[in-house]
Amino acid sequence: NAGVTQTPKFRILKIGQSMTLQCTQDMNHNYMYWYRQDPGMGLKLIYYSVGAGITDKGEVPNGYNVSRSTTEDFPLRLELAAPSQTSVYFCASSSWTGDNQPQHFGDGTRLSIL
Amino acid sequence: KQEVTQIPAALSVPEGENLVLNCSFTDSAIYNLQWFRQDPGKGLTSLLLIQSSQREQTSGRLNASLDKSSGRSTLYIAASQPGDSATYLCAVRNSGYALNFGKGTSLLVTP
Repeated sequence: NAGVTQTPKFRILKIGQSMTLQCTQDMNHNYMYWYRQDPGMGLKLIYYSVGAGITDKGEVPNGYNVSRSTTEDFPLRLELAAPSQTSVYFCASSSWTGDNQPQHFGDGTRLSIL
Repeated sequence: KQEVTQIPAALSVPEGENLVLNCSFTDSAIYNLQWFRQDPGKGLTSLLLIQSSQREQTSGRLNASLDKSSGRSTLYIAASQPGDSATYLCAVRNSGYALNFGKGTSLLVTP
């Protein structure tokens, strides 16, 4: 069981470039999330989705966009990369939002913007 | 806004010791609390989840407790091993969808 898969694992971008971080899960989870982790800080929610076609902003959405066309995939797009977006990005999923449902995380994408 | 604090930020213990990691949170109206393990350069592995109605959860050598009224949780690791060396993250979920994370405790278990 692959769980949550993120690609790429590493990427270096130049300022102003764009890219899409891919996330797919094979657990048939309705809920998916994107977090970022800055050095020495806790993870912060960027965007989340409660099902195909439905997305909403989290705590730090500026500079990002998401889409959810299928249950399995939840890509995160950076349109104009800025140095402040250098971070580690984690995708997560959960089956529903009951209090006994853990969030399952991918291995992360390490992004540097120079 | 929920604030989650983890103490200590770093901990070094000799192999075999029992240890306690602490997590405190400011808003006691939580749905659940999760403890994660993060190895360097890796993702997060869920260790234990405690529902708001529960007081503790156990998995192997790990025991997590929850005291909502005081806004505290502890993760107890028995008979620590070098393989336990990692960063341990506490995350609290309130009424929304996001997990609110602490900054973690970096644990080093020396042989």
